[in-house]
Amino acid sequence: DAKTTQPTSMDCAEGRAANLPCNHSTISGNEYVYWYRQIHSQGPQYIIHGLKNNETNEMASLIITEDRKSSTLILPHATLRDTAVYYCIVRVGPYNTDKLIFGTGTRLQVFP
Amino acid sequence: NAGVTQTPKFQVLKTGQSMTLQCAQDMNHNSMYWYRQDPGMGLRLIYYSASEGTTDKGEVPNGYNVSRLNKREFSLRLESAAPSQTSVYFCASSDPTMPSRGGYTFGSGTRLTVV
Repeated sequence: DAKTTQPTSMDCAEGRAANLPCNHSTISGNEYVYWYRQIHSQGPQYIIHGLKNNETNEMASLIITEDRKSSTLILPHATLRDTAVYYCIVRVGPYNTDKLIFGTGTRLQVFP
Repeated sequence: NAGVTQTPKFQVLKTGQSMTLQCAQDMNHNSMYWYRQDPGMGLRLIYYSASEGTTDKGEVPNGYNVSRLNKREFSLRLESAAPSQTSVYFCASSDPTMPSRGGYTFGSGTRLTVV
């Protein structure tokens, strides 16, 4: 299974962009990269996902390198409510039997 | 609101007792999952079900059984609870037929303590 590597923790000033890196050097050509976050002990919340192209939605942007071995999640204007653990995950498995395998994630602390 | 509903939210068990965690989704998803999360750790997959009537083991299946009762419901059973099963349990569902459309939807969790 493709594994991901993330920094254990990061800090970001409120209002600034938060850039969270992820390494997934063993990713296969048809595997998607997903990002989730978990605030306190709530259930993980979906943020964004991508295959090859960069993606943007109302929450964040996802930049995937051309060789697909790494990606960066960008929160353009971080707020205190973005303090959470962020998980970068490669969705593994064949059609209809895929699963998400979580790592330990990056703990993002947004400070005033 | 559409989503994944887990019951109960909290439970305390004595060692050796049994219980079933319930999960239901109303999004017509084919796949459902059970994860556990220990303090300071990421989520670990216990069991998953790709469709009604099928179940498969995940990373940490020992000590658990599951039932995919119908398309909506996926239950997790602890036959003889042990203190090592103290954890927060999350249920999730997804539509893997359309991976390009998005990810999993998670429930709010069941906090289980085994004493």
